[in-house]
Amino acid sequence: AQSVTQLGSHVSVSEGALVLLRCNYSSSVPPYLFWYVQYPNQGLQLLLKYTTGATLVKGINGFEAEFKKSETSFHLTKPSAHMSDAAEYFCAVKGGSQGNLIFGKGTKLSVKP
Amino acid sequence: DSGVTQTPKHLITATGQRVTLRCSPRSGDLSVYWYQQSLDQGLQFLIQYYNGEERAKGNILERFSAQQFPDLHSELNLSSLELGDSALYFCASSVQWDYGYTFGSGTRLTVV
Repeated sequence: AQSVTQLGSHVSVSEGALVLLRCNYSSSVPPYLFWYVQYPNQGLQLLLKYTTGATLVKGINGFEAEFKKSETSFHLTKPSAHMSDAAEYFCAVKGGSQGNLIFGKGTKLSVKP
Repeated sequence: DSGVTQTPKHLITATGQRVTLRCSPRSGDLSVYWYQQSLDQGLQFLIQYYNGEERAKGNILERFSAQQFPDLHSELNLSSLELGDSALYFCASSVQWDYGYTFGSGTRLTVV
């Protein structure tokens, strides 16, 4: 069965610093991986996805993630944090054959001025 | 506005009651997914519909049921409610799974 593990339920960075949110996956088949962001009192919004092809994936708001099969990882990065990046971030993997996604527990990102 | 509409936004009800949550998917999306989000369990997949047919089931309790209607809107019915059912319930829709989901803003259910 597919699953994802997000390391660190809470990450705090200073404005302008590198953002690194960690996600490791477990999958018996080639994984399809996603990152979503959830702002307070809102639904989840797709940041980026890896399905096939290039392993470095660029998303919205300056975020990117790299699929590393050898490390079973799909970490999310952003070179320079903005205050507006404060939110909760969820990594997800395609679960069943019908495409339902299995989400990690989430990582809450705080950005200090 | 994501294009996925969920009503109501908030719902407070008593234990033992039954409620219905409604979701209108984004125009053109045939798949609807329901998720439950709670602090202890995180985001749990409940059930998926595609063009009116149930396609996948996750951790959905027997007290919960759902359906998707010909106009593609979906309803999630929760009955014999317990305190532990208090959570955020999200609906998401997609035209194709590898496009990613579009989420609604959720229904916050409080059972007292």
